[in-house]
Amino acid sequence: NAGVTQTPKFQVLKTGQSMTLQCAQDMNHNSMYWYRQDPGMGLRLIYYSASEGTTDKGEVPNGYNVSRLNKREFSLRLESAAPSQTSVYFCASSGVNSYEQYFGPGTRLTVT
Amino acid sequence: AQSVTQLDSQVPVFEEAPVELRCNYSSSVSVYLFWYVQYPNQGLQLLLKYLSGSTLVKGINGFEAEFNKSQTSFHLRKPSVHISDTAEYFCAVRNAGGTSYGKLTFGQGTILTVHP
Repeated sequence: NAGVTQTPKFQVLKTGQSMTLQCAQDMNHNSMYWYRQDPGMGLRLIYYSASEGTTDKGEVPNGYNVSRLNKREFSLRLESAAPSQTSVYFCASSGVNSYEQYFGPGTRLTVT
Repeated sequence: AQSVTQLDSQVPVFEEAPVELRCNYSSSVSVYLFWYVQYPNQGLQLLLKYLSGSTLVKGINGFEAEFNKSQTSFHLRKPSVHISDTAEYFCAVRNAGGTSYGKLTFGQGTILTVHP
């Protein structure tokens, strides 16, 4: 099992450009999450999907959109990137009756 | 709303010395507590969790943590650290019970550096 995979690993964008971060899990988990990690601030939840077909805002959703494409895939879209969105983005998933979240390796995004 | 405070942003320690990483939380409801570790340029990995029962929880790599409800703390300890324990450690909390997709609230992280 690959677990949680994320693409790309690194990305540099110019202000105003758009992009989609991809996440997939092969553990048959119901729930998936997107976090951003900034120095000294820990991880903050952007959006989550409790189950296929549902998505909800987390703590810092502004400037982002998500799509739960199917049970395996959960993508994060930046429509018009801003320098404040420079961060490391992590995708995670968790299964029914499991309180552990499994994390992907992260995407390091720089917006200039 | 919940919050998590990790009291030390950086902890330097020599190899084979004991270490304690401190975590305090605030919540108006019962909680589950977690410690995650992040090695350089990697994702987060679960070290241990407290859901219920014994307040002393043992995890991977020789780490343990003690849940103290009266002090709202969940400090992480290891009696003898190795160079390979150098990493960033995150404390996290979520509401107890309810659905299993509960959202995690993370602390700011503690960077543990083990020196030879």
